[in-house]
Parts: sequence; C-alpha cells; structure tokens
Amino acid sequence: AQTVTQSQPEMSVQEAETVTLSCTYDTSESDYYLFWYKQPPSRQMILVIRQEAYKQQNATENRFSVNFQKAAKSFSLKISDSQLGDAAMYFCALGGDTGNQFYFGTGTSLTVIP
Amino acid sequence: KAGVTQTPRYLIKTRGQQVTLSCSPISGHRSVSWYQQTPGQGLQFLFEYFSETQRNKGNFPGRFSGRQFSNSRSEMNVSTLELGDSALYLCASSLDRRGQETQYFGPGTRLLVL
Repeated sequence: AQTVTQSQPEMSVQEAETVTLSCTYDTSESDYYLFWYKQPPSRQMILVIRQEAYKQQNATENRFSVNFQKAAKSFSLKISDSQLGDAAMYFCALGGDTGNQFYFGTGTSLTVIP
Repeated sequence: KAGVTQTPRYLIKTRGQQVTLSCSPISGHRSVSWYQQTPGQGLQFLFEYFSETQRNKGNFPGRFSGRQFSNSRSEMNVSTLELGDSALYLCASSLDRRGQETQYFGPGTRLLVL
C-alpha cells in the first residue's frame, strides 16, 4: 500500500521568513516520484516542485526546495523568503510506476503573516 | 499552450439526478485522471484513462463512471446522486500513464447535491 502523511494541518510564517512543511510516505515501489502541489483559495492545484526518487540531489525551484531523505521516506518542502502569495493549502503527492494514480496527503494550510 | 479545462465550473443538482462533467486535457496529453476532493476525505482517486481505456480505478461505487474520447477529452458521470457526492471534482492530465509524469490539474467542477 502507498500512503502519504502530512502531520501539520496548519502552519504560519512571517513574510520574508522561511518555513518547512513536512511529508512522509510509504511505498513498496522502487521507482517513484514525489510532488508538492499548492492549492490557493481559487482551488486550482498548481505544481510547486517534483523529485525523482532515483536522484540524490534535492530539487529546487527558485524559493522552493525539498529535503528528500529516501531512507527515512521523508520529503519536506522549504519555502524561503515567504510571500503573501504563498498562502495556500500545500499537498504532498506520491506517484508510482504502476498506473497513473497519485496518492495525496491531507494537506497543510499555510498562512503568511504580513 | 492552454491548460486543463473543466466544464461546468459549478453545478447544483438534487438527490437522484445524474450529472456529467467534462475535462479537456493539455494538448498532447493522453492520460486523464479524475479525483474527488472533500473536506473530510481529502483528495481521492476516481479513475484514470489512457488512449480511451480505463487503466486504473479507485474505490468508488459503480455510480461513478467515465470515458475518454479519441481526442483525449474525458467525461465522468455520476448517476443517482447522493448528498455525499457534493465535492470538488478535479481532472488532471499528463503525457503518459506512468506515475512519473507530472499531472497538471484543471480548475475543478464544484458539485453541490441538495
């Protein structure tokens, strides 16, 4: 069974500060991919960043970076220099090699305080 | 390149009715997946279509069905609507059907069942 766990239902960060969102997962597949999606109040899911499990190097996208710990099955998202537009629900997702089903965590609601 | 589009954006139905939702994937994408999002259950996988064939199905009753056309556009149908079917229905498209491909989401269709 494949599962994704986000243990922080809510997080807050001061504008311009750094925040880390946690995600752990479990999978029996050897080849898999991890994603962070952002869902603002408009409800459109937007890809933030993706990580291939076979790559040791952590993915980065501008102010967004991940800390991928494969042995610990941990995949956290770091947002640097937080902006008001970063306020949203963040979902961690796991994609495997069998079929195109993504497994999502329950989400972390991020508030950015001006 | 245009993103994933979903129609209609909002629907109000009554119990017992049936509803059809439509999804147009990004041009060139052949895989279309459907998810149901509710506050209580989070994001749940409904089914995935690739080249007009359903390749994967989530744990939903047979009232939920779908299909994909030769141009990769997809529809999902829910018959005999129940109050619990009220949700945001998200469609996502990707190039291929393997979980390594990033899924790009549409804006969703919000269904309210009265």
